[in-house]
Amino acid sequence: DTAVSQTPKYLVTQMGNDKSIKCEQNLGHDTMYWYKQDSKKFLKIMFSYNNKELIINETVPNRFSPKSPDKAHLNLHINSLELGDSAVYFCASSQDTGEQFFGPGTRLTVL
Amino acid sequence: QKEVEQNSGPLSVPEGAIASLNCTYSDRGSQSFFWYRQYSGKSPELIMFIYSNGDKEDGRFTAQLNKASQYVSLLIRDSQPSDSATYLCAVTLFSGYSTLTFGKGTMLLVSP
Repeated sequence: DTAVSQTPKYLVTQMGNDKSIKCEQNLGHDTMYWYKQDSKKFLKIMFSYNNKELIINETVPNRFSPKSPDKAHLNLHINSLELGDSAVYFCASSQDTGEQFFGPGTRLTVL
Repeated sequence: QKEVEQNSGPLSVPEGAIASLNCTYSDRGSQSFFWYRQYSGKSPELIMFIYSNGDKEDGRFTAQLNKASQYVSLLIRDSQPSDSATYLCAVTLFSGYSTLTFGKGTMLLVSP
């Protein structure tokens, strides 16, 4: 069974478009995250939600808007995509111990 | 500013050798320490976590933590070609929903 799943796996789009990435976890975890991994493989936190509430919002352009309809889902909507948004976006989840489990990633390419 | 430093490598070791991966962190308040392995094109996968000073062993892997020196390491004994990957060190201030701060990773290459 997939623990943390993301869709789509690949996303190719034009500059200026709006796109969404979906994430679901079936681990029963309370906390979910979005990370961005750039071309240099640096993994950086973007957002964190605990029980559907935003608890961490790093310095991310407000074109990025996370939404958590329930504690098993955390979606990421991106408006007005830019070339610099091209990266791999990972969703993750964790429970009390802090160990985070990652989804397979969504490779976003903005042309 | 929380920072986690790792040598980017690549670290090359022959099959069967011990691979030693090192990580230093800047925030003295850090409480939890994690090692993730990431194969090319794949997601990070948790290998080990350590909270207390000293060593923690799990199979061929040993994590070592020295909070006084702000240093954490991962030893891989009997390295296999399948261990070739990027190893990411991550630290967090406390457990629960504290964010992980990742290092940039060390690429390990194990040659047959």
